[in-house]
Amino acid sequence: GENVEQHPSTLSVQEGDSAVIKCTYSDSASNYFPWYKQELGKRPQLIIDIRSNVGEKKDQRIAVTLNKTAKHFSLHITETQPEDSAVYFCAASNQAGTALIFGKGTTLSVSS
Amino acid sequence: GAVVSQHPSWVICKSGTSVKIECRSLDFQATTMFWYRQFPKQSLMLMATSNEGSKATYEQGVEKDKFLINHASLTLSTLTVTSAHPEDSSFYICSARVYPEAFFGQGTRLTVV
Repeated sequence: GENVEQHPSTLSVQEGDSAVIKCTYSDSASNYFPWYKQELGKRPQLIIDIRSNVGEKKDQRIAVTLNKTAKHFSLHITETQPEDSAVYFCAASNQAGTALIFGKGTTLSVSS
Repeated sequence: GAVVSQHPSWVICKSGTSVKIECRSLDFQATTMFWYRQFPKQSLMLMATSNEGSKATYEQGVEKDKFLINHASLTLSTLTVTSAHPEDSSFYICSARVYPEAFFGQGTRLTVV
């Protein structure tokens, strides 16, 4: 089955800096790669996603890149703000009826 | 987007008792729902896939007799934690997909005392 690795587990940046979180996946059939932000005790909140027919997607300060050959995808947050501090998860899936498999998460801390 | 509703949001039960968690898709039909468990400071780990009208599929290491799943309709899946023990205390969250997106319930914080 699918296995998703996520790095780093913790990331500390200064306000205004960029943050990059990387994930690799094992199943070459995976075709959907979402990123979630999760607050303690809450459901994951989708912040951006990418499908396998696209190499990059951007939404304001957030972007995701996908390298299918290398089987890795990355989340890029520019001009970080203290409110970006949270736990971020990447995930992958390969079919409409299958579950998302999550990475282990990254705790991002943005200090002002 | 689609709405998935999960109840209860939190529950405290005594060791040895059973607890039922409900997951409903409010504005769409879900032939498949997914149940995850999340321990503190850890990721969402897939427990099982719930299939409407058929048996659930459990991930390796998940006891099917302990975590009973019923998906009796296209909008409702239930997870029953039987003979709960303190080590079952966790955050349980359900999900359903409207391809390609996944939609999550609010989660249930289970504490077994």
